Amino acid sequence: DAGVIQSPRHEVTEMGQEVTLRCKPISGHDYLFWYRQTMMRGLELLIYFNNNVPIDDSGMPEDRFSAKMPNASFSTLKIQPSEPRDSAVYFCASSSPGTGNEQYFGPGTRLTVT
Amino acid sequence: KQEVTQIPAALSVPEGENLVLNCSFTDSAIYNLQWFRQDPGKGLTSLLLIQSSQREQTSGRLNASLDKSSGRSTLYIAASQPGDSATYLCAVSRVDSSYKLIFGSGTRLLVRP
Repeated sequence: DAGVIQSPRHEVTEMGQEVTLRCKPISGHDYLFWYRQTMMRGLELLIYFNNNVPIDDSGMPEDRFSAKMPNASFSTLKIQPSEPRDSAVYFCASSSPGTGNEQYFGPGTRLTVT
Repeated sequence: KQEVTQIPAALSVPEGENLVLNCSFTDSAIYNLQWFRQDPGKGLTSLLLIQSSQREQTSGRLNASLDKSSGRSTLYIAASQPGDSATYLCAVSRVDSSYKLIFGSGTRLLVRP
């Protein structure tokens, strides 16, 4: 398996623009997670899905953030409108009960909002 | 509220040395504990997963132990190599939300040739 795939790897955008981050989980994994990593706050869970259904979005910072999982092989994290404080590395991860809930991370998307 | 602490924040050792990284957590009601490695500008690589019923896990030169009652885990790296240089993160999940990982801030390791 190719592992968790994320795109784009780098995104630079201006404040106020819409940003969409994409993730393809490992095939057969039924849990998908979105994390954000910053120097100040470390790694934080934003939201996670089970079988394409959002289970816990308590980590989503505000209404500007939204996430969807239209099918088992694709998820998006959208920020609209983006702000400079959203600059961070966003990771997607997936797991399965069959792996003991071990989470496998993608390479991340480095977002810079100017 | 579960809090995860990793000490030290940074560590520099000469090649060949055996070393121990520490992770502590405040709530012993954990589901599992996972150790990750993160190279600069890269994603996280899972190293070892310890279920709450286990005491330790081994993979090659790595050994992770878990003591739930004291809220501690250690990652032992034997015969360290320059290629081991990276940031090591531990994360725990709670029994009541087994898929939510709570991360420590990591230990940045430098192995000098």
